[in-house]
Amino acid sequence: DSGVTQTPKHLITATGQRVTLRCSPRSGDLSVYWYQQSLDQGLQFLIHYYNGEERAKGNILERFSAQQFPDLHSELNLSSLELGDSALYFCASSADDLLNDNEQFFGPGTRLTVL
Amino acid sequence: AQSVAQPEDQVNVAEGNPLTVKCTYSVSGNPYLFWYVQYPNRGLQFLLKYITGDNLVKGSYGFEAEFNKSQTSFHLKKPSALVSDSALYFCAVRDLTSGTYKYIFGTGTRLKVLA
Repeated sequence: DSGVTQTPKHLITATGQRVTLRCSPRSGDLSVYWYQQSLDQGLQFLIHYYNGEERAKGNILERFSAQQFPDLHSELNLSSLELGDSALYFCASSADDLLNDNEQFFGPGTRLTVL
Repeated sequence: AQSVAQPEDQVNVAEGNPLTVKCTYSVSGNPYLFWYVQYPNRGLQFLLKYITGDNLVKGSYGFEAEFNKSQTSFHLKKPSALVSDSALYFCAVRDLTSGTYKYIFGTGTRLKVLA
């Protein structure tokens, strides 16, 4: 158990809908990262939050947004869903001290299926 | 730009034989390199990392990796493969140059250990 929790575990929804994925980082970790993993595109970095502030953006669509709350949990919002958004969405957390040499701890993922 | 490459989509090895999963990187400055493993329907798990120091890094489950600066490689190795090592392996580098500190993952290599 990595200490990172993600809910829900599975999500099935229809095209055009909006969903919210939730992540709670390991206790004490200030950084939260979101990734999308699909069969044909591997692990794609979406966005990184550090202590409530956005630090880096990757290949995140404009239909997607995220935030990190004061208690450090994070939510990834996906809207106007398309069939191609079906994927595994992972959250990871990291301690991210000044050395920036810390590994990431991944949650179990949320499997999103868009029908 | 920082990048990491895993040239093999799949590696097959017989149980008991040594295994190598290849990774090469392109970075400015000193690299922070990581290996992660993903078992079916699970999140990624940290195996080992190279930050500085000894070029041979030992990690979890008997894995080790050799950092080679002249060849810009960070290959994952294990002296004797187990069937239970069959999984998807990701190499990653941390981007320290842009101020975003994001992790860049390779495309993954599927390791299949045959009994």
